[in-house]
This record gives sequence, structure tokens and C-alpha cells, in this order.
Amino acid sequence: NAGVTQTPKFQVLKTGQSMTLQCAQDMNHNSMYWYRQDPGMGLRLIYYSASEGTTDKGEVPNGYNVSRLNKREFSLRLESAAPSQTSVYFCASSEGQRTGWYGYTFGSGTRLTVV
Amino acid sequence: KNQVEQSPQSLIILEGKNCTLQCNYTVSPFSNLRWYKQDTGRGPVSLTIMTFSENTKSNGRYTATLDADTKQSSLHITASQLSDSASYICVVSAAPDKLIFGTGTRLQVFP
Repeated sequence: NAGVTQTPKFQVLKTGQSMTLQCAQDMNHNSMYWYRQDPGMGLRLIYYSASEGTTDKGEVPNGYNVSRLNKREFSLRLESAAPSQTSVYFCASSEGQRTGWYGYTFGSGTRLTVV
Repeated sequence: KNQVEQSPQSLIILEGKNCTLQCNYTVSPFSNLRWYKQDTGRGPVSLTIMTFSENTKSNGRYTATLDADTKQSSLHITASQLSDSASYICVVSAAPDKLIFGTGTRLQVFP
């Protein structure tokens, strides 16, 4: 099925460990995004990539890095995990610019717990 | 400050009943407003997208309304089904490049 695929679905890390969240889309979308969702808060943008080869910071980029490997793939890396990064992470893609007419397609999420 | 507020936080209804979810926003400059449905353990799925010139948009049993003057939107669900149990998220676009997400309304439909 066409869409956005995220791996892994669940992950538990110890404080200080590193990991990379993977995201791939097969809709030929130009823009890709990483969000985090915390209880009682709306989704918050971590990083986005408007097109292959470009990345920009969102609202909450501290502690994260990203790589737009090609048009399909956009990964999120936690270099030294902290308990404050316990969250559900969503990758999304869209055909056009961030706030344009185009809707977003979201992946099913990665539930990350940092202990 | 750009904000999107949704009410109620949670709602319980019986199968077959109608319900209306509210979204108030203070976002400027306004570009468009979206409603998403998020099933438990899944990512959000788009229901509707509206610009300031659109008052109503439907998607099956879901009907969204927008009043750009009062900065209010509503999502009306007709003849609810058990599969409507989910969180419903209002998202407002602020030109040129910002999306503001509401915290969502959690709807539970019981038989």
C-alpha cells in the first residue's frame, strides 16, 4: 500500500544511547517532516525537508539531527537520548510546501521511551 | 500568539447519534484549516481542508464548517459509528510556513 513507512514501531533506550528513526514514502512527495506528539500537547515540528538535499529546523530541534537521504527517505537521529525525548514520533510527507493546499500523509508512528 | 483550542477535550456518545466538535483559533495570517482523524496507535489521517472562502466541506458523514470572521470551525459527525472512536485534531496554517496543531478531541462511541 502507498504511504509513509516508519521503523521501528517501538523502542526503549537508556539515557545517553543513540538511535536513528527511519522514514520512507513512496508517493513521490517533495516535502517530508518529523513531528513529536506528547500527552496534552499538539504535534510539534522537529525538522522538515522541503525538497531533496535541504533540511530546516522546526519548533523543537534541540537534541535531534536529520538526513534527507534521497527523495524517498528522511531519517531522524537522537545522538544522546534524554528522558525528555520520550514521545511518539511521526514522520509525514506532502506534495508541496508546508502550509499550502496539500494535505499531509502521516506514518503510523514510533513510540520511544528513554529510561 | 498563534493558538488552536479544541473543545470538548473528550466526548462520549452512543452509536447512531450525531455530535459536533469545536475549534477556535487565533492564527494570523490565516491560510487554511484542516481536520484530521487519529485512531489510537496510528498517525493522523486528513478529513478536510478549507480556505477562508469556504464555509462548509463534507467528507461522507463528516462535515466541517468554517467562520473566518469569528475564527471558529466545527466538525459535525452524523449517525456515528463505532469506527468513529478516535481523536480529532484541528490544524490551522499560518502563512507562509507554520502549522499550528490543536490538542484534539477524544471521541468514544459506544454501542
